[in-house]
Amino acid sequence: QSALTQPASVSGSPGQSITISCTGTSSDVGGYNYVSWYQQHPGRAPKLMIYDVTKRPSEVSNRFSGSKSGNTASLTISGLQAEDEADYYCSSYASTSTCVFGGGTKLTVL
Amino acid sequence: QVQLQESGPGLVKPSETLSLTCTVSGGSVSSGYYYWSWIRQPPGMGLEWIGYIYYSGSTNYNPSLKSRVTISVDTSKNQFSLNLRSVTAADTAVYYCARDDGGIGEFDPWGQGTLVTVSS
Repeated sequence: QSALTQPASVSGSPGQSITISCTGTSSDVGGYNYVSWYQQHPGRAPKLMIYDVTKRPSEVSNRFSGSKSGNTASLTISGLQAEDEADYYCSSYASTSTCVFGGGTKLTVL
Repeated sequence: QVQLQESGPGLVKPSETLSLTCTVSGGSVSSGYYYWSWIRQPPGMGLEWIGYIYYSGSTNYNPSLKSRVTISVDTSKNQFSLNLRSVTAADTAVYYCARDDGGIGEFDPWGQGTLVTVSS
C-alpha cells in the first residue's frame, strides 16, 4: 500500500482560509468514507481533528472542516490562527482492513 | 477518560527484537468495537501504521512489516504489546500506541510516544 499524497507545505495569513488535499485511490480514500485528519505540534502526539471525512470531535474548533471528492479528501481551516501552525496528516481505511497515512503537510501561519 | 502510555527500552541493537508495551488506563482493552494500534514516526518523517489487535486476539498488520511484527494483548493487565523482529537503523522512530474506533483508522486517543533508537 502506498502513502496518500499531501502537499509538503501550505501557508496562510491570520484570518485567512487554507485547504490541504489528500489524494489516494479507489482502494482507500475513494472507496470508503473513513478519512481522518490529525494535527501534530512539534514534539507532541498527533491529535484527531476530523473523522469519517466530515465529522469533528466535540472539542475541536468548528474552524476545521473536512470533505471528499472522488479519490481526494480535503481539510479546510478557516480563520487561521497562530496556534494552527503544525503538521497535518490524513489517514484512510484501505482494502484488506489496513490503514494508510499521508506524508504530512506543514502549515505555516505567516 | 482513556489514557495510553508506552513503555520499553529506548535503545535496541541491530538484528534484535524491539519490544514495547502500551498500558491503558481509564478504560478496558476488552471493550468491544475498539481496536488497539501501534503507529510509528521516524525522526523528521511521517506517520506509518504498524497494525492493530482486537481484545479477542484478532490482528491485522501493515503488509510492509507483516513478516517481522507481532502484536499481542493481555486483558488481565489491560495492556497490549508490540514485538518487531530483526530491527535495523530504519526502524528508529517514535512509537505510538493508540485506540482505533472500529478498526477504520480513527485514532483517538494516542499515547505520548516513545523514541526507540536502533544502534550498536
